[in-house]
Amino acid sequence: NAGVTQTPKFQVLKTGQSMTLQCAQDMNHEYMSWYRQDPGMGLRLIHYSVGAGITDQGEVPNGYNVSRSTTEDFPLRLLSAAPSQTSVYFCASRSWTSGYYEQYFGPGTRLTVT
Amino acid sequence: DAKTTQPPSMDCAEGRAANLPCNHSTISGNEYVYWYRQIHSQGPQYIIHGLKNNETNEMASLIITEDRKSSTLILPHATLRDTAVYYCIVRVQTGANNLFFGTGTRLTVIP
Repeated sequence: NAGVTQTPKFQVLKTGQSMTLQCAQDMNHEYMSWYRQDPGMGLRLIHYSVGAGITDQGEVPNGYNVSRSTTEDFPLRLLSAAPSQTSVYFCASRSWTSGYYEQYFGPGTRLTVT
Repeated sequence: DAKTTQPPSMDCAEGRAANLPCNHSTISGNEYVYWYRQIHSQGPQYIIHGLKNNETNEMASLIITEDRKSSTLILPHATLRDTAVYYCIVRVQTGANNLFFGTGTRLTVIP
Protein backbone atom coordinates (compact mmCIF):
# COMPACT_ATOMS: atom_id res chain seq x y z
CA ASN A 1 0.00 0.00 0.00
CA ALA A 2 1.17 3.51 -0.79
CA GLY A 3 -0.78 4.85 2.20
CA VAL A 4 -1.66 8.54 1.95
CA THR A 5 -0.17 10.38 -0.99
CA GLN A 6 -0.18 14.12 -1.65
CA THR A 7 0.68 16.15 -4.71
CA PRO A 8 2.40 18.44 -5.34
CA LYS A 9 5.15 18.44 -2.70
CA PHE A 10 5.95 22.09 -3.29
CA GLN A 11 3.95 24.90 -4.89
CA VAL A 12 4.37 28.65 -5.33
CA LEU A 13 1.31 30.72 -6.18
CA LYS A 14 0.66 34.38 -6.80
CA THR A 15 -2.05 36.13 -4.82
CA GLY A 16 -5.43 35.52 -6.41
CA GLN A 17 -4.49 32.33 -8.23
CA SER A 18 -6.42 29.15 -7.64
CA MET A 19 -5.19 25.61 -7.30
CA THR A 20 -6.09 22.18 -6.01
CA LEU A 21 -4.02 20.14 -3.59
CA GLN A 22 -4.49 16.46 -4.26
CA CYS A 23 -4.81 13.76 -1.61
CA ALA A 24 -5.39 10.06 -2.17
CA GLN A 25 -5.37 6.98 0.05
CA ASP A 26 -5.46 3.31 -0.89
CA MET A 27 -6.49 1.90 2.49
CA ASN A 28 -10.24 2.21 1.94
CA HIS A 29 -10.50 4.61 4.89
CA GLU A 30 -13.79 6.34 5.46
CA TYR A 31 -12.46 9.42 7.23
CA MET A 32 -10.19 11.93 5.55
CA SER A 33 -9.03 15.32 6.78
CA TRP A 34 -6.97 18.33 5.77
CA TYR A 35 -4.73 20.17 8.24
CA ARG A 36 -2.47 23.17 7.87
CA GLN A 37 0.65 23.66 9.93
CA ASP A 38 2.12 27.05 10.70
CA PRO A 39 5.09 27.92 12.94
CA GLY A 40 4.01 28.18 16.58
CA MET A 41 0.44 27.12 15.78
CA GLY A 42 0.64 23.34 15.64
CA LEU A 43 -1.71 21.61 13.20
CA ARG A 44 -5.15 23.08 12.59
CA LEU A 45 -8.04 21.24 11.00
CA ILE A 46 -9.38 22.80 7.80
CA HIS A 47 -12.04 20.39 6.51
CA TYR A 48 -12.85 16.76 6.98
CA SER A 49 -15.02 14.03 5.46
CA VAL A 50 -16.65 10.99 7.04
CA GLY A 51 -17.34 9.33 3.70
CA ALA A 52 -17.95 9.89 0.01
CA GLY A 53 -20.34 12.78 -0.50
CA ILE A 54 -20.06 14.05 3.08
CA THR A 55 -17.81 16.91 4.17
CA ASP A 56 -17.73 19.34 7.06
CA GLN A 57 -15.74 22.32 8.28
CA GLY A 58 -12.96 22.19 10.78
CA GLU A 59 -11.25 24.92 12.78
CA VAL A 60 -10.00 27.12 9.92
CA PRO A 61 -12.16 26.50 6.80
CA ASN A 62 -12.26 30.01 5.31
CA GLY A 63 -10.68 30.26 1.87
CA TYR A 64 -10.79 26.52 1.23
CA ASN A 65 -13.25 24.18 -0.44
CA VAL A 66 -13.38 20.40 -0.45
CA SER A 67 -15.40 17.65 -2.04
CA ARG A 68 -15.39 13.88 -1.68
CA SER A 69 -16.70 12.09 -4.75
CA THR A 70 -14.84 8.83 -4.07
CA THR A 71 -13.55 7.05 -0.99
CA GLU A 72 -9.96 7.35 -2.23
CA ASP A 73 -9.67 11.06 -3.06
CA PHE A 74 -10.13 14.21 -1.04
CA PRO A 75 -8.87 17.30 -2.89
CA LEU A 76 -8.48 20.70 -1.24
CA ARG A 77 -9.18 23.75 -3.38
CA LEU A 78 -7.88 27.25 -2.86
CA LEU A 79 -10.19 29.52 -4.83
CA SER A 80 -8.21 32.76 -4.56
CA ALA A 81 -4.88 32.30 -2.86
CA ALA A 82 -3.77 34.78 -0.22
CA PRO A 83 -0.37 35.18 1.50
CA SER A 84 -2.03 34.06 4.76
CA GLN A 85 -2.46 30.65 3.16
CA THR A 86 1.28 30.11 2.99
CA SER A 87 1.68 26.96 5.03
CA VAL A 88 2.38 23.25 5.02
CA TYR A 89 -0.72 21.21 4.28
CA PHE A 90 -1.24 17.65 5.50
CA CYS A 91 -3.90 15.20 4.47
CA ALA A 92 -4.84 12.36 6.82
CA SER A 93 -7.13 9.34 6.79
CA ARG A 94 -8.39 6.74 9.19
CA SER A 95 -10.67 3.76 9.24
CA TRP A 96 -14.00 3.54 11.02
CA THR A 97 -13.44 -0.06 12.01
CA SER A 98 -9.78 -0.06 13.02
CA GLY A 99 -10.21 2.63 15.64
CA TYR A 100 -10.76 6.32 15.94
CA TYR A 101 -7.30 7.09 17.15
CA GLU A 102 -4.95 5.99 14.43
CA GLN A 103 -4.74 8.57 11.68
CA TYR A 104 -2.34 8.14 8.78
CA PHE A 105 -0.79 11.32 7.45
CA GLY A 106 0.59 12.12 4.04
CA PRO A 107 4.03 13.70 3.48
CA GLY A 108 2.64 17.21 3.13
CA THR A 109 2.47 19.98 0.53
CA ARG A 110 4.52 23.12 1.11
CA LEU A 111 2.65 26.09 -0.32
CA THR A 112 3.98 29.61 -0.69
CA VAL A 113 1.71 32.45 -1.79
CA THR A 114 3.47 35.63 -2.91
CA ASP B 1 -12.28 18.95 23.65
CA ALA B 2 -10.15 19.33 26.76
CA LYS B 3 -7.21 21.72 26.49
CA THR B 4 -3.73 20.32 26.94
CA THR B 5 -0.54 21.94 28.20
CA GLN B 6 2.93 20.68 27.28
CA PRO B 7 6.40 22.11 27.83
CA PRO B 8 7.68 23.67 24.60
CA SER B 9 10.97 21.78 24.58
CA MET B 10 12.97 19.03 26.32
CA ASP B 11 16.34 17.36 25.92
CA CYS B 12 17.19 13.73 26.56
CA ALA B 13 20.46 11.83 26.40
CA GLU B 14 20.62 9.02 23.86
CA GLY B 15 19.85 5.66 25.47
CA ARG B 16 18.06 7.20 28.43
CA ALA B 17 14.32 7.26 29.02
CA ALA B 18 12.48 10.31 27.73
CA ASN B 19 9.52 11.36 29.87
CA LEU B 20 7.19 13.83 28.20
CA PRO B 21 4.49 15.36 30.44
CA CYS B 22 1.06 16.62 29.49
CA ASN B 23 -1.52 18.41 31.63
CA HIS B 24 -5.20 18.04 30.78
CA SER B 25 -6.97 19.17 33.94
CA THR B 26 -10.34 19.73 32.22
CA ILE B 27 -10.53 16.24 30.73
CA SER B 28 -13.95 14.65 30.89
CA GLY B 29 -14.78 11.05 31.65
CA ASN B 30 -15.18 9.88 28.06
CA GLU B 31 -12.13 11.60 26.61
CA TYR B 32 -9.05 9.65 25.59
CA VAL B 33 -5.44 10.81 25.66
CA TYR B 34 -3.61 10.40 22.34
CA TRP B 35 0.04 10.96 21.54
CA TYR B 36 1.44 11.71 18.12
CA ARG B 37 4.85 12.81 17.01
CA GLN B 38 6.18 14.66 13.99
CA ILE B 39 9.70 14.20 12.76
CA HIS B 40 11.05 17.18 10.84
CA SER B 41 9.43 17.67 7.41
CA GLN B 42 7.23 14.59 7.75
CA GLY B 43 3.57 14.05 8.55
CA PRO B 44 2.54 13.28 12.14
CA GLN B 45 2.74 9.69 13.33
CA TYR B 46 0.43 8.03 15.85
CA ILE B 47 2.22 6.66 18.93
CA ILE B 48 -0.22 5.50 21.59
CA HIS B 49 -3.50 6.30 23.29
CA GLY B 50 -5.33 5.50 26.54
CA LEU B 51 -8.39 6.23 28.66
CA LYS B 52 -7.41 5.64 32.29
CA ASN B 53 -5.18 2.60 32.43
CA ASN B 54 -1.49 2.70 31.64
CA GLU B 55 -0.71 1.51 28.14
CA THR B 56 2.38 0.12 26.45
CA ASN B 57 3.22 -0.74 22.87
CA GLU B 58 6.36 -1.28 20.84
CA MET B 59 7.03 2.44 20.64
CA ALA B 60 6.24 3.84 24.07
CA SER B 61 4.40 3.69 27.37
CA LEU B 62 1.62 5.99 28.50
CA ILE B 63 1.11 6.69 32.18
CA ILE B 64 -2.15 8.43 33.14
CA THR B 65 -2.62 9.71 36.69
CA GLU B 66 -5.48 8.33 38.74
CA ASP B 67 -7.42 11.61 38.52
CA ARG B 68 -6.67 11.70 34.75
CA LYS B 69 -5.62 15.32 34.92
CA SER B 70 -2.17 14.61 33.56
CA SER B 71 -0.22 11.97 31.68
CA THR B 72 3.35 11.09 30.73
CA LEU B 73 4.63 9.55 27.53
CA ILE B 74 7.72 7.44 28.10
CA LEU B 75 10.20 6.49 25.41
CA PRO B 76 12.22 3.87 27.28
CA HIS B 77 15.50 4.11 25.36
CA ALA B 78 15.59 7.28 23.31
CA THR B 79 17.52 7.27 20.05
CA LEU B 80 18.52 10.13 17.76
CA ARG B 81 15.61 9.16 15.48
CA ASP B 82 13.19 10.01 18.30
CA THR B 83 14.04 13.70 17.92
CA ALA B 84 10.67 15.18 16.98
CA VAL B 85 7.76 17.30 18.15
CA TYR B 86 5.41 15.31 20.37
CA TYR B 87 1.73 16.19 20.57
CA CYS B 88 -0.62 15.28 23.41
CA ILE B 89 -4.27 15.39 22.36
CA VAL B 90 -7.41 14.77 24.36
CA ARG B 91 -10.50 13.73 22.47
CA VAL B 92 -13.64 11.65 22.69
CA GLN B 93 -13.52 8.38 20.78
CA THR B 94 -16.82 8.86 18.96
CA GLY B 95 -18.13 10.89 16.11
CA ALA B 96 -15.88 12.30 13.44
CA ASN B 97 -13.12 12.46 15.99
CA ASN B 98 -10.79 14.68 14.07
CA LEU B 99 -7.83 15.56 16.22
CA PHE B 100 -6.96 19.11 17.17
CA PHE B 101 -3.22 19.55 17.56
CA GLY B 102 -1.56 22.14 19.79
CA THR B 103 2.06 23.26 19.66
CA GLY B 104 3.53 20.14 21.28
CA THR B 105 6.91 19.47 22.92
CA ARG B 106 10.07 19.55 20.85
CA LEU B 107 12.19 16.64 22.08
CA THR B 108 15.87 16.70 21.19
CA VAL B 109 17.84 13.51 21.79
CA ILE B 110 21.47 14.34 22.42
CA PRO B 111 24.27 11.92 21.48
